[in-house]
Amino acid sequence: EVQLVESGGGLVQPGGSLRLSCAASGFTFSSYWMHWVRQAPGKGLVWVSRINSDGSSTSYADSVKGRFTISRDNAKNTLYLQMNSLRAEDTAVYYCARDRPHSSGWYQDYWGQGTLVTVSS
Amino acid sequence: DIQMTQSPSSLSASVGDRVTITCRASQSISSYLNWYQQKPGKAPKLLIYAASSLQSGVPSRFSGSGSGTDFTLTISSLQPEDFATYYCQQSYSTLSYTFGQGTKLEIK
Repeated sequence: EVQLVESGGGLVQPGGSLRLSCAASGFTFSSYWMHWVRQAPGKGLVWVSRINSDGSSTSYADSVKGRFTISRDNAKNTLYLQMNSLRAEDTAVYYCARDRPHSSGWYQDYWGQGTLVTVSS
Repeated sequence: DIQMTQSPSSLSASVGDRVTITCRASQSISSYLNWYQQKPGKAPKLLIYAASSLQSGVPSRFSGSGSGTDFTLTISSLQPEDFATYYCQQSYSTLSYTFGQGTKLEIK
């Protein structure tokens, strides 16, 4: 059974840092691209970042570029999101999701339960 | 960046109704369009990928269509468990996988 379990969320002050983790199981983690998606309270889904299967290629939403870093450890089956210079508007539930390729694009077929990040003084 | 616009933003319907949600892309995205369902407090669930392919395990009352810039998600006969928020997402640009703003489907 595919499982994605996020951890590392919590309360952090503006300007602070936090590292989220996503532990994967039930599939060959090193074969899949992975994503982070966030959702502010009462708001919609916002794509944050993605990483390819070996970690050599990454992309970011403009709102987090230069502040957040996505990475992975395929030996530990774990995805990470290092978040620096956090702002109040980064407050959200952060989901990790597995990416699946298709002849007509890519889609996220499995999602974690999410971890809440609150940026407040 | 590719912008995705859903309409309507909210919708009231009754059990048994046929419902259609529309998603428009700011530029052509071929068939690189996915649909997700999200219930309160839960993670999103993939319904449709590549504009019209039904994800395994998703009821056949859900269907998707469209290509280029205009797409639709149709629920042929609403069931009580379908009341949720629905999001479209483009995967044409692997530099930014934009979501629509969501459509909240409520019980009339």
